[in-house]
Amino acid sequence: AQKITQTQPGMFVQEKEAVTLDCTYDTSDPSYGLFWYKQPSSGEMIFLIYQGSYDQQNATEGRYSLNFQKARKSANLVISASQLGDSAMYFCAMILNTNAGKSTFGDGTTLTVKP
Amino acid sequence: DAEITQSPRHKITETGRQVTLACHQTWNHNNMFWYRQDLGHGLRLIHYSYGVHDTNKGEVSDGYSVSRSNTEDLPLTLESAASSQTSVYFCASSESNEKLFFGSGTQLSVL
Repeated sequence: AQKITQTQPGMFVQEKEAVTLDCTYDTSDPSYGLFWYKQPSSGEMIFLIYQGSYDQQNATEGRYSLNFQKARKSANLVISASQLGDSAMYFCAMILNTNAGKSTFGDGTTLTVKP
Repeated sequence: DAEITQSPRHKITETGRQVTLACHQTWNHNNMFWYRQDLGHGLRLIHYSYGVHDTNKGEVSDGYSVSRSNTEDLPLTLESAASSQTSVYFCASSESNEKLFFGSGTQLSVL
């Protein structure tokens, strides 16, 4: 069975600095996808970024990038130039491509951006 | 615009009562999912469906049931509510292995 581990329950970053949120995963399946979602204090879940296991390049979406290290089974989220609005809970999730969309989530990391 | 809506947003019920949480999506997605979110546990999968009349158990399915009579709806029923089922419930839908589209969540309190 697949497993996602987020080892940082809480993180602090100064406004305008970059921050890395850690995510490691465990699966023996060679075909999978990795996702990051943001949950602000209002509660909704917002998709941020996706990385496929066969993608050669690290995914980027605006200020978000995914540092994908396949051999180490890590998929860390990097947020550049942090903004106050980035304060939220962040979840890493994985889909096995054989499981048609069924996602496994980590326990999340709470990010606080300081002014 | 397509969307996924959950109702109610908040629900308080008593132990032993049957409760149904609604989920309706207009994305025309085949895949629909119910998750619960508890402090320290992230999101855990309760039930899911890959299409009409298809339902499957997730990792925390005990005490819950779902039915899929059409593409748009996947209601979640708590047969006999327990205090351990106090949680925030999220419905989500997706196309194949793509990202999840989430509803706004239902805060359920079982007293």
